[in-house]
Amino acid sequence: SQQGEEDPQALSIQEGENATMNCSYKTSINNLQWYRQNSGRGLVHLILIRSNEREKHSGRLRVTLDTSKKSSSLLITASRAADTASYFCATILYSGGGADGLTFGKGTHLIIQP
Amino acid sequence: GAVVSQHPSRVICKSGTSVKIECRSLDFQATTMFWYRQFPKQSLMLMATSNEGSKATYEQGVEKDKFLINHASLTLSTLTVTSAHPEDSSFYICSAPRARSYNSPLHFGNGTRLTVT
Repeated sequence: SQQGEEDPQALSIQEGENATMNCSYKTSINNLQWYRQNSGRGLVHLILIRSNEREKHSGRLRVTLDTSKKSSSLLITASRAADTASYFCATILYSGGGADGLTFGKGTHLIIQP
Repeated sequence: GAVVSQHPSRVICKSGTSVKIECRSLDFQATTMFWYRQFPKQSLMLMATSNEGSKATYEQGVEKDKFLINHASLTLSTLTVTSAHPEDSSFYICSAPRARSYNSPLHFGNGTRLTVT
């Protein structure tokens, strides 16, 4: 079953602008991860934020996590045409021990217009 | 470079035939691999967890006799779609974590586009 829900489902902005995507989830988590998927390809891991972290940066990416609201946001600053892709948040339901498959949200389809 | 290799990238087969998809970890040993299915403009749905040396764990609603998973070595997992039908047409993606840890990101293959005619 799906855990995360991204918002908005689609976002179109001009190159150079910032893009913000949100993710809400339903249950307790160990961490929340963001992935990017170019059309017809596999997913690429972008950033992982642990449940005890509130904010994390990686290059032009900034991720926040609010466990009280069960939500996360991904900010891409100074967007580029190459950032056009679908972005997914993913979580692992806490089940104790071992690695578990990630549960993905529906994704935000981001289009950067040159 | 890619750390998980998935083949084939595209396959077209006739209804009733079987298709095998391979997923290899290139520079690490993957004791666990995950198989996902994705419909157009939809999210990824976890189908099964492949464990090296043991039986795969299937998610609810996934037919284990139809989607055969074999994890024969620490670097190779295969998904065989048996007696494929047009409704099995989809994008199948494998992934694996480098380590058995909640905080280990998944490395994904580039997916296999299956079309059943």
